[in-house]
Parts: sequence; structure tokens; C-alpha cells
Amino acid sequence: EVQLVESGGGLIQPGGSLRLSCAASGFSVSSNYMSWVRQAPGKGLEWVSVIYSAGSTYYADSVKGRFTISRDNSKNTLYLQMNSLRAEDTAVYYCARVDRDGYNFDYWGQGTLVTVSS
Amino acid sequence: QSALTQPASVSGSPGQSITISCTGTSSDVGSYNLVSWYQQYPGKAPKLMIYEGSKRPSGVSNRFSGSKSGNTASLTISGLQAEDEADYYCCSYAGSSTWVFGGGTKLTVL
Repeated sequence: EVQLVESGGGLIQPGGSLRLSCAASGFSVSSNYMSWVRQAPGKGLEWVSVIYSAGSTYYADSVKGRFTISRDNSKNTLYLQMNSLRAEDTAVYYCARVDRDGYNFDYWGQGTLVTVSS
Repeated sequence: QSALTQPASVSGSPGQSITISCTGTSSDVGSYNLVSWYQQYPGKAPKLMIYEGSKRPSGVSNRFSGSKSGNTASLTISGLQAEDEADYYCCSYAGSSTWVFGGGTKLTVL
């Protein structure tokens, strides 16, 4: 059974850093495209980043240069390193697996809340 | 990338059909047949309902269907049921390994 479990969220001051983790089971993160999607409180979904099986990474303009997506194949875990955090980064962050076709998010974690506030 | 445009809310009575539109541009919806739709209950993770415009994942009811015309994609739910009340989001591949979501539509079953 495919499962994704995020962790690492919390309250952080503006300008601070946080690393989110997404532990996967039932499949290999190294063999799949993996993505982060966020949702600000009461707002819609926003795509954040993707890492391809070959290792290339891509980001939304809103986080480019501040966030870094990575994975640890030995731990079957996806990460999102978030630096220079802003109030507008406050959101529930979901990790999602991209399906075999390469364009659709077929499994999602339960999300982890990041609150950026002083 | 600007968010795709969805109506904020739609409603229908049990048994009726509703359609949710999702309007993008020639750079996203219009360029690719890669629109997906997600259902989200409050406090829960999104669930894939339609992919590549009109395909249904295994286990999704055939009451859900998708289509596209030009820069606008649509999700139709037929035979509306109380359990369909949720938020629905469209998403399109936007090229250059990026994706864009719609603002979401709240479906109310009257």
C-alpha cells in the first residue's frame, strides 16, 4: 500500500529555515517523480516543486532560490528545505507522488502545517 | 504562472448533474491535454479524480467525467450525491516542468 507521511512543520519566524520530510512506503521515491504542493489557510492548492527520478529539480517562481527539494533513497524519504521564510509561505505542505504518466498527482500525504510568524 | 480560473462555488440537488469549468491559457490548458481534477474534503488531502482531461483512476465513480475545449477544461458530476459535497481543484501541466492549479470550487449538494 502506498503511503506518504509528512513531518517537520511548525511555527517559525520570518527569515528562518525549516526542513520538511515525507516518508514514503509501498514504492520507491527514487523511481518516481515526487512533488510538493502547498495550501495556504482557506486558500487553494499551489504547486511548489518537483524532483524527477533522474534527479533534476524544478520550482515555482514564488519559491525559486529559497526552497530546495531533495531525497534520500536509502531512507525512501523526500525533503523540502525552506530558507528565508516569509509570512506568505504559511500553508499546509503536502508531498505527492507523480504517476507513471508523469503529469498527475496520484497519491498525497496528509500534510504538515508551516506557520511563519513573529 | 497565474492560477487557473474556476467558479468559487456551484450547487445542485441530489440526482442532478453539475459542471465545473476551469479556464487557463494557451500556455497551459490549451497547450496540453494534461488537466487533472482533485476532490478535497475539509482537513483532508486531495484525491485524484480525473487525469489527462478525461481519464478516471481505478476506483473513481463513472459519475465523474472530464472534457476540454480550447483553453477551458470541465468536470461534470452526474447523479449528484451528498458525498460529492467537497472542494474541487483543476490542475494543468504548464510546460517547463511546472504545474498550475485552479483556485478551487466548493460544491454544495442541496
